Amino acid sequence: GQSLEQPSEVTAVEGAIVQINCTYQTSGFYGLSWYQQHDGGAPTFLSYNGLDGLEETGRFSSFLSRSDSYGYLLLQELQMKDSASYFCAVRGVTGGGNKLTFGTGTQLKVEL
Amino acid sequence: DTEVTQTPKHLVMGMTNKKSLKCEQHMGHRAMYWYKQKAKKPPELMFVYSYEKLSINESVPSRFSPECPNSSLLNLHLHALQPEDSALYLCASSPDSSSGAFFGQGTRLTVV
Repeated sequence: GQSLEQPSEVTAVEGAIVQINCTYQTSGFYGLSWYQQHDGGAPTFLSYNGLDGLEETGRFSSFLSRSDSYGYLLLQELQMKDSASYFCAVRGVTGGGNKLTFGTGTQLKVEL
Repeated sequence: DTEVTQTPKHLVMGMTNKKSLKCEQHMGHRAMYWYKQKAKKPPELMFVYSYEKLSINESVPSRFSPECPNSSLLNLHLHALQPEDSALYLCASSPDSSSGAFFGQGTRLTVV
C-alpha cells in the first residue's frame, strides 16, 4: 500500500517563501504530483516529478528524492490567493500506474 | 481544451432514488477516475478506467456503479445510497502514467 504524510497546517506571510513537505511509504511508484484545492473547489494539478530533482513552474517548484522517500512543494512570492489546501499524490505501480493516491493534505494560510 | 466537465454540480437525492453523475473530457486522455471527498479530507479513489476498461475498483459498495460508454465519457450510477455517502464526487482524467490528473469541478451530493 501507500501512505503519504503532510503537515496539517502551515502559515506564512504574503511575499514569503514556504515549503510543504510530503513523506511517503510505498512499495513503488511512477511519480509524485501536487494539487491545490481552494475551499469549495476541486483539486487543480500543479506539478509532477517523475524523476528525482527539482521541477519549476512559475512561482511553484516541486522536488523529489526517492532515496529519502521525500518530496516538497515550494511556493515563492506568496500571495493571499495561495491560501488553500495542498495535496501530494503518488502514482503507484498497481494497475499500470493508474492508481493515484493522495496525501493527508496541508492547509496553507497566507497572512498580511 | 483542458477541461473535465461534470454534471450536475449539485444533487440532492433520497435513499430510494436512482441517479447518475456524468463526466466528459475531450483531451484524449486514456485514464479516467472517480474520487469521493469528504470535507477537510483528501480525495479517496473509487474507480479507474483505462482505455475504457475498469482497471481499479477500490472495494466500493455496489450501490455505486461506474460506466465508461466511450473514451470521452464516464458515468457513476447511484442507487439506494446512504446519508453517509453525501460528499463531493470528483471525476478526473490523465493522459498516461507519467503525469498528473486533471479534475472536474465535482458534484456535491447530498443524500437525505
